[in-house]
Amino acid sequence: AQSVTQLDSQVPVFEEAPVELRCNYSSSVSVYLFWYVQYPNQGLQLLLKYLSGSTLVESINGFEAEFNKSQTSFHLRKPSVHISDTAEYFCAVLEGGSEKLVFGKGTKLTVNP
Amino acid sequence: KAGVTQTPRYLIKTRGQQVTLSCSPISGHRSVSWYQQTPGQGLQFLFEYFSETQRNKGNFPGRFSGRQFSNSRSEMNVSTLELGDSALYLCASSLEAAIYEQYFGPGTRLTVT
Repeated sequence: AQSVTQLDSQVPVFEEAPVELRCNYSSSVSVYLFWYVQYPNQGLQLLLKYLSGSTLVESINGFEAEFNKSQTSFHLRKPSVHISDTAEYFCAVLEGGSEKLVFGKGTKLTVNP
Repeated sequence: KAGVTQTPRYLIKTRGQQVTLSCSPISGHRSVSWYQQTPGQGLQFLFEYFSETQRNKGNFPGRFSGRQFSNSRSEMNVSTLELGDSALYLCASSLEAAIYEQYFGPGTRLTVT
C-alpha cells in the first residue's frame, strides 16, 4: 500500500527565512502528488499538485515543490516565509487508477517574528 | 460559488450511540470523499462516492457507512460509537475524481464521551 512520510512534524522558522518541508512516498508505477495546507479550525486547501510534465510546480503564494522520481520525494519550499504561512501542511499521494488520497501525518510550520 | 458545507460543525455523543454527518458538495461536483482526522493517525480516507455509488473504501470497520444522493449530497453514518471515533471528519468534493482538485469543507468535530 502507498505510504507518505513527512519527516518533520514541526518546523519553526523566523519571518523572511527560507523553509523546506520534506515529503517522501513509497514508490509506485505512477503517482500524482499534492500539498495541502490547513489553517487552524479550517478544512484543507490545495496548495499545489504534480500530475505530469514539469517536475517543478509552483503555487500562487510563492511555494514550490519538485517531484523527484528517483528519490521518491516531493519537498515543498518557499524562499521567504511570512507570519501568515503559519499552518499545518500535508503531503498527499494518489496512485494512478485509484481514487484514494493517502496523506502524510503533516508538518506544523510556525513562522516567528 | 458556495463551497463545501458540512453539518453539523460540532457534535457530542456518548458511547454506543450512532451519528449521521452531512456534506453538501460544490455545485456541479459529483465526487464526494470522506476523511477522518485525528492527532494520532492523521488524515485517513474513509470512502468516496461518485454518482451515488461507492467507488472506494478505506480500512475502517463496518460501523462506518455512507451514501450519496442524486443531488450529490452525501451522508456518513457511524453506529455504536466508540471513544476512538472522536475526530474531525472532513468531506471533500471534486468534479469527477480525486485527481482533480479536491475542495474540502470545514469539517465536523465529533466528540464521543
